[in-house]
Amino acid sequence: NAGVTQTPKFQVLKTGQSMTLQCAQDMNHEYMSWYRQDPGMGLRLIHYSVGAGITDQGEVPNGYNVSRSTTEDFPLRLLSAAPSQTSVYFCASSYGPFSLGYEQYFGPGTRLTVT
Amino acid sequence: GQQVMQIPQYQHVQEGEDFTTYCNSSTTLSNIQWYKQRPGGHPVFLIQLVKSGEVKKQKRLTFQFGEAKKNSSLHITATQTTDVGTYFCAGPLDSNYQLIWGAGTKLIIKP
Repeated sequence: NAGVTQTPKFQVLKTGQSMTLQCAQDMNHEYMSWYRQDPGMGLRLIHYSVGAGITDQGEVPNGYNVSRSTTEDFPLRLLSAAPSQTSVYFCASSYGPFSLGYEQYFGPGTRLTVT
Repeated sequence: GQQVMQIPQYQHVQEGEDFTTYCNSSTTLSNIQWYKQRPGGHPVFLIQLVKSGEVKKQKRLTFQFGEAKKNSSLHITATQTTDVGTYFCAGPLDSNYQLIWGAGTKLIIKP
């Protein structure tokens, strides 16, 4: 099993450009999430999905879109990049709901710089 | 809204000294999870605590969940260089589909 994979590992964008961060998992997990991590802060949830075709907003959704057409893939789209979106982005997946104690498996992250 | 506070933000220790990080939630949690993130890496699940007053050990790591299920701690005995990284606690929001994260405690070993 590859687990959770993310591409690209590094990306530099100019302000106003759009791009898609890719995330895939091969563990047949229903739950997938996108986080951003900024220095000195914990992980902040951007969007999440509880199954194919079902997505919802997290704590910091503005400027980002997601879709989930298959169980395996959960891409994150930046609509019009801004310097405030410079961050490390992690995709994570889980077999079940957190209230039942299911842990999250993280991808290696994408380090995004917006100039 | 629901918050999880984690202290301290950093802890510098000599190799061989102990390390402790504390996590406090504004609400009662059904469980709490702990993760470790090595420098330049991604968070990796360590353990989850479910029961009130629960204590679990993993070698030199001891995890506790408070009686009220609102606080938790991670204690590392006799730190080693392999322990370097940031330790996060996280608890589920009432919605079940989101985890709320502490800001993390960074363990730094003094040279």
